[in-house]
Amino acid sequence: DSGVTQTPKHLITATGQRVTLRCSPRSGDLSVYWYQQSLDQGLQFLIQYYNGEERAKGNILERFSAQQFPDLHSELNLSSLELGDSALYFCASSAWKASGYNEQFFGPGTRLTVL
Amino acid sequence: AQKITQTQPGMFVQEKEAVTLDCTYDTSDQSYGLFWYKQPSSGEMIFLIYQGSYDEQNATEGRYSLNFQKARKSANLVISASQLGDSAMYFCAMRAWMDSSYKLIFGSGTRLLVRP
Repeated sequence: DSGVTQTPKHLITATGQRVTLRCSPRSGDLSVYWYQQSLDQGLQFLIQYYNGEERAKGNILERFSAQQFPDLHSELNLSSLELGDSALYFCASSAWKASGYNEQFFGPGTRLTVL
Repeated sequence: AQKITQTQPGMFVQEKEAVTLDCTYDTSDQSYGLFWYKQPSSGEMIFLIYQGSYDEQNATEGRYSLNFQKARKSANLVISASQLGDSAMYFCAMRAWMDSSYKLIFGSGTRLLVRP
């Protein structure tokens, strides 16, 4: 158990709909990362938040948005869903280390199926 | 360009034998980090081992070791005494400084199957 929690575990919805995925980082971790894992694109970095502020953006579509709240949990909002958005969405968290590397601990993922 | 390459889509190994999973990387950074993650069929991503670019010794964590060859830009994962529970997807990743922040770039993964 990494200490990172994600809800829901599975989500089935229809095209055009909007969903919200939730992530709670490990206790004390200020950084939250979102990743998308699909069969054709592999594991892709979407976005990072650090202590409530957006820190980095990856291959995140304009239909997707995220935020990190004062209690450090994060939500990833996916709207106008398309079939191709079906994927496993991971949240990861990390803490700052003086050594300069920040090992990321992954949550169990949310499997999104768009029908 | 920052890139991770895993050239072995799938591998077999006999239980109790050692296996090496290949990973090569491309970066112009002097300071970087290399990670290996395991993804079992249940889907979660499990951190295995880390190697920093300035680390002089190869990283080891139990049965996992990282064969780091900086000049060749390779960071192969060695699993000793394979167990049935090692059957999973394995991803190599690199911490890269891009667009004013650190990001993890992942390879395409290697599926390992341990035979009894």
